[in-house]
Amino acid sequence: SAVISQKPSRDICQRGTSLTIQCQVDSQVTMMFWYRQQPGQSLTLIATANQGSEATYESGFVIDKFPISRPNLTFSTLTVSNMSPEDSSIYLCSARSGPGGTQYFGPGTRLTVL
Amino acid sequence: GESVGLHLPTLSVQEGDNSIINCAYSNSASDYFIWYKQESGKGPQFIIDIRSNMDKRQGQRVTVLLNKTVKHLSLQIAATQPGDSAVYFCAENISWTSYGKLTFGQGTILTVHP
Repeated sequence: SAVISQKPSRDICQRGTSLTIQCQVDSQVTMMFWYRQQPGQSLTLIATANQGSEATYESGFVIDKFPISRPNLTFSTLTVSNMSPEDSSIYLCSARSGPGGTQYFGPGTRLTVL
Repeated sequence: GESVGLHLPTLSVQEGDNSIINCAYSNSASDYFIWYKQESGKGPQFIIDIRSNMDKRQGQRVTVLLNKTVKHLSLQIAATQPGDSAVYFCAENISWTSYGKLTFGQGTILTVHP
């Protein structure tokens, strides 16, 4: 199984600022994803982080607001830009070794925007 | 898009009882299903999965049943323990052996009373 770590684990940020969340996987994986989980709710996919190319965003999420990097097969970052209180949520990194593999999740980053 | 949903948002059981958590899915083309457990403050943890060519799969104290005729998925937990208290999510995928994405249900809160 893949072990996924995220930094920071939580943060409190001011409106209008940006936060970059880091995700590290302990093994090389083909697929990495970023999810958002609002309090008491289910997980919503933000985007698929593609190694060496631009991320693939889901409906309702745009690159200007959630820029993503994926420089190699074990690391990705998600930036939440120009934050507002509506961005307060848990952001989860997820990884799958490849097609047909099990998908694992990191512990999440709990973001509060004031 | 199509979605996965749960019949019961909360479930309370006594320690030692068996628990059954249900999930209805709407996409008949889904070929892979997963159950995750999410404890407070943590990321989702993989429990068990099942492919559409199966109707039952057993793990340690857990069994997943798939009824494709009525598009229904269930998770059975035997001899439920207080440590099983968590939110349980079902998720579905189309083309798991390709680069398909997971769609999550709304979740069921399981509370186990000693």
